[in-house]
Amino acid sequence: QSVLTQPPSVSGAPGQRVTISCTGSRSNIGAGYAVHWYQQLPGTAPKLLIYGNTNRPSGVPDRFSGSKSGTSASLAISGLQAEDEADYYCHSYDSNLSGWVFGGGTKLTVL
Amino acid sequence: EVQLVESGGGLVQPGGSLRLSCAASGFTFSSYWMHWVRQAPGKGLVWVSRINNDGSSTSYADSVKGRFTISRDNAKNTLYLQMNSLRAEDTAVYYCACSGTSPTWGQGTLVTVSS
Repeated sequence: QSVLTQPPSVSGAPGQRVTISCTGSRSNIGAGYAVHWYQQLPGTAPKLLIYGNTNRPSGVPDRFSGSKSGTSASLAISGLQAEDEADYYCHSYDSNLSGWVFGGGTKLTVL
Repeated sequence: EVQLVESGGGLVQPGGSLRLSCAASGFTFSSYWMHWVRQAPGKGLVWVSRINNDGSSTSYADSVKGRFTISRDNAKNTLYLQMNSLRAEDTAVYYCACSGTSPTWGQGTLVTVSS
């Protein structure tokens, strides 16, 4: 069982907008620790999509955006494209564990 | 360019040992906390261990506590993970990663525990 909770799957048609939620607690997201988001294609390492709650690394399209409120965070993907089909993970730090925590991952299907 | 390159993975029998290395370049290694994260086949990301910038403080997931040891050599810009008493459930791709405003990850090294 992951410390951060994500929906196992989401789906959307090309061009649509989808959101992926990430729910934590007062010892991680709610404590003010940054939330990061990754995209992972099969057989590859996770790719950083969003860091520090809302920031995109160079090269990541602005179709991807992040937000955070209280003990939760969200990743939004607009203008869905076939190549967005992948697994997505949220990531933060937990003061009780004194280490990183992850969501269980969300599989995005582009219909 | 910031780069992390893991090595040392392979096939090991249950009860055996393995030491993973992570070579860092392109940044001031000694300034950052470092982590190991693993991913079992078909499963999600799981944090394994972390070490602070000077190596004086470490933390472990309960599943590896007492069996794995994280360490670093700042003179060699290298992170290590000594894995003892390996079990089948330790089979995974192991990633090293750097803490910071924007986390950086290596490409991973596969550890397979099987007889």
